[in-house]
Amino acid sequence: NAGVMQNPRHLVRRRGQEARLRCSPVKGHSHVYWYRQLPEEGLKFMVYLQKENIIDESGMPKERFSAEFPKEGPSILRIQQVVRGDSAAYFCASSPQDPPDTQYFGPGTRLTVL
Amino acid sequence: GQQLNQSPQSMFIQEGEDVSMNCTSSSIFNTWLWYKQDPGEGPVLLIALYKAGELTSNGRLTAQFGITRKDSFLNISASIPSDVGIYFCAGHVAGGTSYGKLTFGQGTILTVHP
Repeated sequence: NAGVMQNPRHLVRRRGQEARLRCSPVKGHSHVYWYRQLPEEGLKFMVYLQKENIIDESGMPKERFSAEFPKEGPSILRIQQVVRGDSAAYFCASSPQDPPDTQYFGPGTRLTVL
Repeated sequence: GQQLNQSPQSMFIQEGEDVSMNCTSSSIFNTWLWYKQDPGEGPVLLIALYKAGELTSNGRLTAQFGITRKDSFLNISASIPSDVGIYFCAGHVAGGTSYGKLTFGQGTILTVHP
């Protein structure tokens, strides 16, 4: 009865490097979401994906950030040329086909940019 | 955009006391969710509310979906030390450009003294 899996749990990158975060949803869930949490703040929506489709990326910065949820394999959040301001906890959530509102979260990836 | 105001920001209580926290919004939500987050972990879903006026319990936790659909509260009865953590409310709007996106409150930090 595995929940949402995320790896790595902690990631350290130097400025200018790429960060790649992985998320495997709950088995049978076809909707994946990514959220970002800064210290002592609530979670902020970034992107909503279904298999091979980006449904809503309105919360994602226009540059350097991309996300995908391929037909096979985990969802990937990619941050290119990281900057110190990208340091945060990134959470993935998944939900069954309907409703998309009841979302179950993974343990998160804590990204630190040096 | 949509915003949720969650209060109080923090609470310090004695073990055995009851706790109440709430969220308000200037706009309507179709679903209210309450999550608990422990340090270094992802949010864990506590209660989901789908209908205005709905009152739902989960053990010592009780949550209600406000009649106006613009607010929700969470009560914890007879608190215990393991209730310590950050509690978040989250709202979802069905349909439109926000479909799939959860909006989170700022969180309530709960400390329980034995």
